[in-house]
Amino acid sequence: EVQLVESGGGLVQPGGSLRLSCAASGFTFSSYWMSWVRQAPGKGLEWVANIKQDGSEKYYVDSVKGRFTISRDNAKNSLYLQMNSLRAEDTAVYYCARVGYGSSWHFDYWGQGTLVTVSS
Amino acid sequence: QSVLTQPPSVSAAPGQKVTISCSGSSSNIGNNYVSWYQQLPGTVPKLLIYDNNKRPSGIPDRFSGSKSGTSATLGITGLQTGDEADYYCGTWDNSLSAWVFGGGTKLTVL
Repeated sequence: EVQLVESGGGLVQPGGSLRLSCAASGFTFSSYWMSWVRQAPGKGLEWVANIKQDGSEKYYVDSVKGRFTISRDNAKNSLYLQMNSLRAEDTAVYYCARVGYGSSWHFDYWGQGTLVTVSS
Repeated sequence: QSVLTQPPSVSAAPGQKVTISCSGSSSNIGNNYVSWYQQLPGTVPKLLIYDNNKRPSGIPDRFSGSKSGTSATLGITGLQTGDEADYYCGTWDNSLSAWVFGGGTKLTVL
């Protein structure tokens, strides 16, 4: 059974940093692209970043470029999101998602999410 | 303002059919595959449709997807009260080099 378990969320002040982790199990982690997707309270889904199987390619939404870094450790079956210079508008539930195989990207499994609140 | 445009809400009676549209452009839907996600109240998003019209295992054939030009459509037949949820379309945008989601559509089964 595919499982994705996020951790590391919490309350942080504007300008602060936080590192999210996602522990993957039930599949060959190193064979899949992985993503972070966020959802602000009461709002829709917003894709944040993708990372290739070996970490050699990364893509980010414009609003987090230069502030967030996606990374992975295939030996530990783990995905990470380093978030720096956090802003109030980064407040959201952050989901770890697996990018499924097919003709194109899509998110076939999602974690339960971890809440990040940026507030003074 | 989302790059992909969805109606904020749709509604229909139990047993009826409903369609949810997702409108984009040549930089996204027009040249890429579309996927659809269902988010039941208080739960995690779930993949419903990928590659425009494919259903993952376990998704009933009441759910269908189609694409024409720069628009995509999610169809749900035999509506059930348990289908009440938010539905999102998504695809890659070549101009933005980013994945984009629609703003979401709230389905109410009256």
